[in-house]
Amino acid sequence: GNSVTQMEGPVTLSEEAFLTINCTYTATGYPSLFWYVQYPGEGLQLLLKATKADDKGSNKGFEATYRKETTSFHLEKGSVQVSDSAVYFCALTILGGAGNMLTFGGGTRLMVKP
Amino acid sequence: GAVVSQHPSRVICKSGTSVKIECRSLDFQATTMFWYRQFPKKSLMLMATSNEGSKATYEQGVEKDKFLINHASLTLSTLTVTSAHPEDSSFYICSASAIAGGRNEQFFGPGTRLTVL
Repeated sequence: GNSVTQMEGPVTLSEEAFLTINCTYTATGYPSLFWYVQYPGEGLQLLLKATKADDKGSNKGFEATYRKETTSFHLEKGSVQVSDSAVYFCALTILGGAGNMLTFGGGTRLMVKP
Repeated sequence: GAVVSQHPSRVICKSGTSVKIECRSLDFQATTMFWYRQFPKKSLMLMATSNEGSKATYEQGVEKDKFLINHASLTLSTLTVTSAHPEDSSFYICSASAIAGGRNEQFFGPGTRLTVL
């Protein structure tokens, strides 16, 4: 079956620090990969996505590269802000679109301190 | 962008009562809607997938008689938690799938926090 594994949090960083949240996956088929962000008390928002190997998704300073050889999609940001404090979910879907069923990782809580 | 709303955002009910949660796509027609359940500090668990005008497809372990899903139109799906018990307390999130501009994306609602006393 399909599964997504993320590093457990919480991850606590100081403002302007470098962020990496690891994500690896297993999939039966060719997955599309996503990162979603959930701010306190809210639903999920799509942060970025990549649909094929070596694609890099990017948004709001966050980046993730689809690495087929290592089955990974690690999230990075060069300089985090307090406003980035949230829970981040890595996810995948088969059949190439987010309109199909998503498989989520466990989520990683990020806390950024001023 | 596409907006999905949920109502209510919070509900507190007594054990044994039924609670209905609405999920609406406000500015697009959703071919498919998904219902998720999220436990505190945990990931989302897919409960069911619903397509307009047909019966919902429930994930393994989800009781279809307890969690009734009705997808009456392309903009509205409802989840009814019947005879709620404290263990049903959770954060329920819906998402709606739309095809726009050649992209097939899911858009998430803000969630409904259910507390059963």
